[in-house]
Amino acid sequence: EAQVTQNPRYLITVTGKKLTVTCSQNMNHEYMSWYRQDPGLGLRQIYYSMNVEVTDKGDVPEGYKVSRKEKRNFPLILESPSPNQTSLYFCASSLGGGVSYEQYFGPGTRLTVT
Amino acid sequence: SQQGEEDPQALSIQEGENATMNCSYKTSINNLQWYRQNSGRGLVHLILIRSNEREKHSGRLRVTLDTSKKSSSLLITASRAADTASYFCATVWRGKSTFGDGTTLTVKP
Repeated sequence: EAQVTQNPRYLITVTGKKLTVTCSQNMNHEYMSWYRQDPGLGLRQIYYSMNVEVTDKGDVPEGYKVSRKEKRNFPLILESPSPNQTSLYFCASSLGGGVSYEQYFGPGTRLTVT
Repeated sequence: SQQGEEDPQALSIQEGENATMNCSYKTSINNLQWYRQNSGRGLVHLILIRSNEREKHSGRLRVTLDTSKKSSSLLITASRAADTASYFCATVWRGKSTFGDGTTLTVKP
């Protein structure tokens, strides 16, 4: 089944403790992206990747890191999480980042930083 | 506020009625996409319209795009209770994707 998977789905952590949220897709998509969603708001893009070893900042990259060493995986790293990073995180992928490609979303990771 | 703003923020209608949501944006786009989200779950793609297209249909969905006004609308015809969800527009420009704040649609049986 074609899908985007994220792990973990739920995470409660403490300020300053490094964490990684994994994202994997099995559709051979070139484009992958991370978003965060806060209550009552739409999604805000954190980072995106047009292909392996190519990453770019979205609208809210501060406090996050990403890497794209292989096509299927795009982990999101929070080196020193803070309470303002408590949010619902979504990973997405698409065939490309250009003109005519829809994004496929993972189920989301609910992160709480205390 | 973000590029890609939806209007209205909330919409409540009876089953069988049509629902129209609008989206405005501020910059250039390659395409504009509409998504649906049920209660904090993952987003589901509904329809994509390219910057050189003016109208697109998919089942009960109709999307229009006016690049001169930097706006788009999503029409859901003959709505059903199962259409109750949040709807988001997203603009894409050179890989960067910007979502609006969404319209919450409630369809009463």
